[in-house]
Amino acid sequence: DAGVTQSPTHLIKTRGQQVTLRCSPISGHKSVSWYQQVLGQGPQFIFQYYEKEERGRGNFPDRFSARQFPNYSSELNVNALLLGDSALYLCASSLQGQNTEAFFGQGTRLTVV
Amino acid sequence: GNSVTQMEGPVTLSEEAFLTINCTYTATGYPSLFWYVQYPGEGLQLLLKATKADDKGSNKGFEATYRKETTSFHLEKGSVQVSDSAVYFCALRIPNSGAGSYQLTFGKGTKLSVIP
Repeated sequence: DAGVTQSPTHLIKTRGQQVTLRCSPISGHKSVSWYQQVLGQGPQFIFQYYEKEERGRGNFPDRFSARQFPNYSSELNVNALLLGDSALYLCASSLQGQNTEAFFGQGTRLTVV
Repeated sequence: GNSVTQMEGPVTLSEEAFLTINCTYTATGYPSLFWYVQYPGEGLQLLLKATKADDKGSNKGFEATYRKETTSFHLEKGSVQVSDSAVYFCALRIPNSGAGSYQLTFGKGTKLSVIP
């Protein structure tokens, strides 16, 4: 079975531009979460979607937005990019349930120049 | 709020040495606790978990015990190998924290290097 897949793997953008990152969850998983991992730090929670509805939002500015599609894939959008948005963006999918595990993708490395 | 504190790294050990990485947490409610591992250039992999007090999670020779009285979940391994070199993250999740909610709170990570 395919794991969580993210695209692209690497991306270079200029300040002020907009970027869209994509995530396909494991088949059967209806929950998708996004995390930002700045170099040398732990992942920080950005969003979580379940059944196409936003179920959680971390402490990120409104420049960050996301959505989940009927096939449970998800996109993370970041507008007006800043140098500080440079990070590894991780997507995780999970089944719904109290003691389920989150499976992470390989991430998208975003560099803002 | 919820938070996780890990011991500062990096940690450098010789092969076959004993490993301890300390992790303590602050949480509202009764969290589930996790250790994730990140190998260079890769995403996160779940190493082990514990969902209630006194549970012991174990995998690949690693162990951690959920200690509610000390709010800790220290990671241990009796004999490390070069292949264990990676960054280790302690994390928590509050079950039933919202309808359909699944949010992990991570520590900053501890980089482990094992030398032959």
